[in-house]
Amino acid sequence: AQSVSQHNHHVILSEAASLELGCNYSYGGTVNLFWYVQYPGQHLQLLLKYFSGDPLVKGIKGFEAEFIKSKFSFNLRKPSVQWSDTAEYFCAVRITGGGNKLTFGTGTQLKVEL
Amino acid sequence: SAVISQKPSRDICQRGTSLTIQCQVDSQVTMMFWYRQQPGQSLTLIATANQGSEATYESGFVIDKFPISRPNLTFSTLTVSNMSPEDSSIYLCSVEGSLGLAGGHPPYNEQFFGPGTRLTVL
Repeated sequence: AQSVSQHNHHVILSEAASLELGCNYSYGGTVNLFWYVQYPGQHLQLLLKYFSGDPLVKGIKGFEAEFIKSKFSFNLRKPSVQWSDTAEYFCAVRITGGGNKLTFGTGTQLKVEL
Repeated sequence: SAVISQKPSRDICQRGTSLTIQCQVDSQVTMMFWYRQQPGQSLTLIATANQGSEATYESGFVIDKFPISRPNLTFSTLTVSNMSPEDSSIYLCSVEGSLGLAGGHPPYNEQFFGPGTRLTVL
């Protein structure tokens, strides 16, 4: 069965710092990749997704992620974080042809300090 | 995207009782799912709700404990039966695959999540 690892469980940054959150998955076949965000008191929202094509995908609010197939990674990046980016971030993987099931990582709690 | 509502938003229940959670979508969707998010943990898929047939359960989840209904393309329920404190969790509904046309929504191929139901079992 596939699994998803997010190595950073808690990250604290100052405003304007750069962000990179790691996501690795274990599955050798074709996958779709997602990053979701959950702001305090709100429901999960899709930040960005990768299905095929350009491995560098851009999402909402200045976030981007790069799919590196050889490393089974899909790291999330943002060049300059804001206080409003404080949230929990989840990486998720879906095996194509695998019944649309999403497998989530354990999440990374990001706190941005003023 | 789809607009998803869940009822109730939260509940506190006694051990041994059952709770039914409703999920309503504002457009017809091909797929509906139920997830659980236990305290401090990530989301785990419970089952895929199939319209007109029995739900498809993931390993570790059974129909007797988590019966699911999906009578049409916009609605599903999840029941948490014979609850114990270990069932305290957030239960989330998600949808994928808008049929789109009637509601004016374009088709999509990612999952959208409802606000969740926070369940506490005493």
